[in-house]
Parts: sequence; C-alpha cells; structure tokens
Amino acid sequence: GAVVSQHPSWVICKSGTSVKIECRSLDFQATTMFWYRQFPKQSLMLMATSNEGSKATYEQGVEKDKFLINHASLTLSTLTVTSAHPEDSSFYICSAQYRGQQETQYFGPGTRLLVL
Amino acid sequence: SQKIEQNSEALNIQEGKTATLTCNYTNYSPAYLQWYRQDPGRGPVFLLLIRENEKEKRKERLKVTFDTTLKQSLFHITASQPADSATYLCALSSINSWGKLQFGAGTQVVVTP
Repeated sequence: GAVVSQHPSWVICKSGTSVKIECRSLDFQATTMFWYRQFPKQSLMLMATSNEGSKATYEQGVEKDKFLINHASLTLSTLTVTSAHPEDSSFYICSAQYRGQQETQYFGPGTRLLVL
Repeated sequence: SQKIEQNSEALNIQEGKTATLTCNYTNYSPAYLQWYRQDPGRGPVFLLLIRENEKEKRKERLKVTFDTTLKQSLFHITASQPADSATYLCALSSINSWGKLQFGAGTQVVVTP
C-alpha cells in the first residue's frame, strides 16, 4: 500500500517552454503533498508543500510564479515549471502524506527534467 | 543555520560486515529523524523512524540510534549484502515544522561480495 506515482518519468524540453509533472497517490488520499528537487550528488531540497484545496506554501528562495503547484484533489498534485531554462534541469520528486500519518511521507519515483 | 551532515565519501564494505553511517545535525530541535534508501534515478524509500525521546530502533538487519545530546544518529546495516548497495539519506523533522523533512546529502554504501 501507500504507492505514489509520477508522470512523466523523464522529459526533455526546449528552453522557454512549460512542463507539467503529475504526482498521484494510487491507493490512499493524500491530504498533503510535497515537491522536492534534487541536483546530482546533493540532498533533496524541499520546494513547496501543498494541501488539498488550498494554495501551496513555498520554501524560501523558490519562485512561486515559476513553479506552479496545484493540488486539485486528494490524489493528484501537479507541478508546472513555467518558461523552463537549462538551470531548471533537475530531478523532481514528490511525496504524499495522509491524514493521521503526518510523520510518514511516501515518495514517488521522481521525474528527470532536461531543458535544452 | 540548520545543517544536516552525512559522510560524503562512499563507504566500501565487504559482504557480511556491518556498515555504520553517521548523521550529525546543528541548530535543530528535532521531533523525529528518519532514514531512507535511495537507488540511482529513483525516489527515496522509507526505512526507519526514530523519535527524539527514543534511543534505538531496530528493523530486521537495520538499527538506528539517536543521541540528542551529541546531535547525532547512527545507522547500522548488519550482515550487509550486495543488494544493500545504495545511497542512504538521513532526514529530520523539527518541532516547529512537524511533518516537513530536511534531508542530508546522503552516504553511498557499496557492498562487495
């Protein structure tokens, strides 16, 4: 149980285009989802926290207009990288929590983004 | 500022031996600490959670200790196997931000037959 999926698993795009990444909790209702970014050999950096039905809370230094997060339902959150640039190339990972289990995050398999 | 430090050098260990990884933190009031396994190109997989009032937790061949005085956690893999080769991440949740995790950069473990 507690499976989280991400789609796509990898994406290549041209500079200036927007890319949407989906995060789904397959067998539970996720009241909170998190989005992380990971550069090679570095730690996961929390970008934002999203709660179903409310606006995402962004970490310091993360541009909310560039990284649009929508948590439209209890099983789906999306991250849209707008006007992507090569420096946005990274590994994006989401995780999900369900009500009453705030200590546990279930991670998705990640999405590799390469911006040319 | 808050920091979580793990050994950046890979730990090479022979099959059957015990691997011990260290996680040190500064400027945290931890609520709990977790250890994750991450394989290349994959998301982290949860292994163990230990709360700030606990000293030790075990799960099969894994053991975690938590010393809030030293601000350190140790993660042990006993009777290591080549399948244990991966990067192991330490993550902290502070009392002020319950549920949110801050991760260390991880330590790579390589178990050779």
